Amino acid sequence: GNSVTQMEGPVTLSEEAFLTINCTYTATGYPSLFWYVQYPGEGLQLLLKATKADDKGSNKGFEATYRKETTSFHLEKGSVQVSDSAVYFCALRTPGGTSYGKLTFGQGTILTVHP
Amino acid sequence: NAGVTQTPKFRVLKTGQSMTLLCAQDMNHEYMYWYRQDPGMGLRLIHYSVGEGTTAKGEVPDGYNVSRLKKQNFLLGLESAAPSQTSVYFCASSTGTQIVYEQYFGPGTRLTVT
Repeated sequence: GNSVTQMEGPVTLSEEAFLTINCTYTATGYPSLFWYVQYPGEGLQLLLKATKADDKGSNKGFEATYRKETTSFHLEKGSVQVSDSAVYFCALRTPGGTSYGKLTFGQGTILTVHP
Repeated sequence: NAGVTQTPKFRVLKTGQSMTLLCAQDMNHEYMYWYRQDPGMGLRLIHYSVGEGTTAKGEVPDGYNVSRLKKQNFLLGLESAAPSQTSVYFCASSTGTQIVYEQYFGPGTRLTVT
């Protein structure tokens, strides 16, 4: 079956530090990959996505590249801000005509950024 | 345009009590989903619906029932709550199942069963 593994958290950084959150996956076929972010007290929001190998998703200064050879989709940001403090979820979906759009999530990584 | 809303935001139940969580979306989406979020486990799909009047089981359906009588509403019911159902519940909706269609999430309901 499909599965997503994220690096253990929590992650604590100072403002302007470089961020990497690792994500690896196991899936049949060719999944699409996502990063969702959950700010305190809110629901999940789509941060970025990539639908095929070597695609790079990017948004709000965050980037992730779909690496099929290493089955990875690591999230990076060059300079984090206090407002980036949130929980980050890596997820995948496998395509298919009968798919109901099921997302498989990783366990989430808590990021705290200090001034 | 409120997006996806959930009521209530918080609830405490005693073991054996029942309750219904309401999800409403104003985006005319066909697909709706109920997930639970537990520490260290990410989100897991409980039930989903591909249209008004239809429901189906997800990964962890035991102890829950759902109904989709109106296209904009998706109800999650707990008939006899158990401490194992202490969790944060998220509803989501989507236009379709193709990758281009994003799932939009509600703010969540935090349920504690004592």
